[in-house]
Amino acid sequence: AQTVTQSQPEMSVQEAETVTLSCTYDTSESDYYLFWYKQPPSRQMILVIRQEAYKQQNATENRFSVNFQKAAKSFSLKISDSQLGDAAMYFCAYRSLETSGSRLTFGEGTQLTVNP
Amino acid sequence: NAGVTQTPKFQVLKTGQSMTLQCAQDMNHNSMYWYRQDPGMGLRLIYYSASEGTTDKGEVPNGYNVSRLNKREFSLRLESAAPSQTSVYFCASSPRVYTEAFFGQGTRLTVV
Repeated sequence: AQTVTQSQPEMSVQEAETVTLSCTYDTSESDYYLFWYKQPPSRQMILVIRQEAYKQQNATENRFSVNFQKAAKSFSLKISDSQLGDAAMYFCAYRSLETSGSRLTFGEGTQLTVNP
Repeated sequence: NAGVTQTPKFQVLKTGQSMTLQCAQDMNHNSMYWYRQDPGMGLRLIYYSASEGTTDKGEVPNGYNVSRLNKREFSLRLESAAPSQTSVYFCASSPRVYTEAFFGQGTRLTVV
């Protein structure tokens, strides 16, 4: 079974600065997807970024980018020019393409605080 | 666009009571999921339905049952609620394996 680990329960960053959230995962599969979701206080789960395992190029979405290291099974999220609206719980998730139902497995989450 | 709709948004139950959480999606997605979210544990899969007519257990199925009523609807039932089932419950759906899942707004359930 796959596992996802986020070793930073809490992180903080100053507004306009850069922060990196860590995520590692364990799998024996070669083809899969990885995601970062954001959960603001509203509770809504919002997709931030997606990475296909077969792609070597790191995904980027505006101020959000990932550092995907397949051999190391690491998938960190970098937020540049942090804004107050980035404050939220962030979840890393793994999607199996081989397991029935292709369900998502989530990490424990990292609570990000953005200080003005 | 409604997306994934869950009802109710909040619920308080007494120990031993039963209830059904409703979930419907209007995106014609094949797969649907029920997760529970607890502090420090992320989201854990309770049950899922890979396609209409099929359901399977996830990581934490004990104390729950599900029904995939049709392609749109996937309900979660607590037959005899326990305080350990106090949590936030999320329904999600996904069109195919190569995309993300789309989530409802969650149900905060408290069992006293």
